[in-house]
Amino acid sequence: QKEVEQNSGPLSVPEGAIASLNCTYSDRGSQSFFWYRQYSGKSPELIMSIYSNGDKEDGRFTAQLNKASQYVSLLIRDSQPSDSATYLCAVIENAGNMLTFGGGTRLMVKP
Amino acid sequence: AAGVIQSPRHLIKEKRETATLKCYPIPRHDTVYWYQQGPGQDPQFLISFYEKMQSDKGSIPDRFSAQQFSDYHSELNMSSLELGDSALYFCASSSKDGGGTDTQYFGPGTRLTVL
Repeated sequence: QKEVEQNSGPLSVPEGAIASLNCTYSDRGSQSFFWYRQYSGKSPELIMSIYSNGDKEDGRFTAQLNKASQYVSLLIRDSQPSDSATYLCAVIENAGNMLTFGGGTRLMVKP
Repeated sequence: AAGVIQSPRHLIKEKRETATLKCYPIPRHDTVYWYQQGPGQDPQFLISFYEKMQSDKGSIPDRFSAQQFSDYHSELNMSSLELGDSALYFCASSSKDGGGTDTQYFGPGTRLTVL
């Protein structure tokens, strides 16, 4: 079992809709959670970080964290075709400061 | 704002050759991380340095070594290259701020192709 898991997708949503991306993790000691966006052949680009239970909003993006359920999600409102990319969930686990990534979810926003 | 710089951006090597990848962190960042991303895979952590000392070690082959220099730039040295080493190599940097949690910012990557 992977330590961080995501549905690989593709997740297809129409332009203007809400895209919901989910991630689960196994290490209960994990404290830091990140969402990165990665276009094909490019580097991961930080979208959001979240450390406390609840919601964190930044523009069209909302990250949600539930440590009891070991679950973190990303909502993208008013999805645009330019949002089409792979979204990587990343966790800093209890030991060390390295990022452990989920497999990524490919999002396709159709005009 | 200044970002992480990596060089070279592309590198082609033959099997059994050596390669050196360079990373220049964001100014005032003191921690550097190296990740390897194979085709269709997510990034895998290799090694990290904080204040020029190795801080964490991941799935880095013994054929690879790395260090961080006094100006905080880092180099990843890869020897006896194998076909399976063909991948994107990312460097990320962070700063240990007062909160103690490190947000990592990635460089553009080096695409290594081993023939």
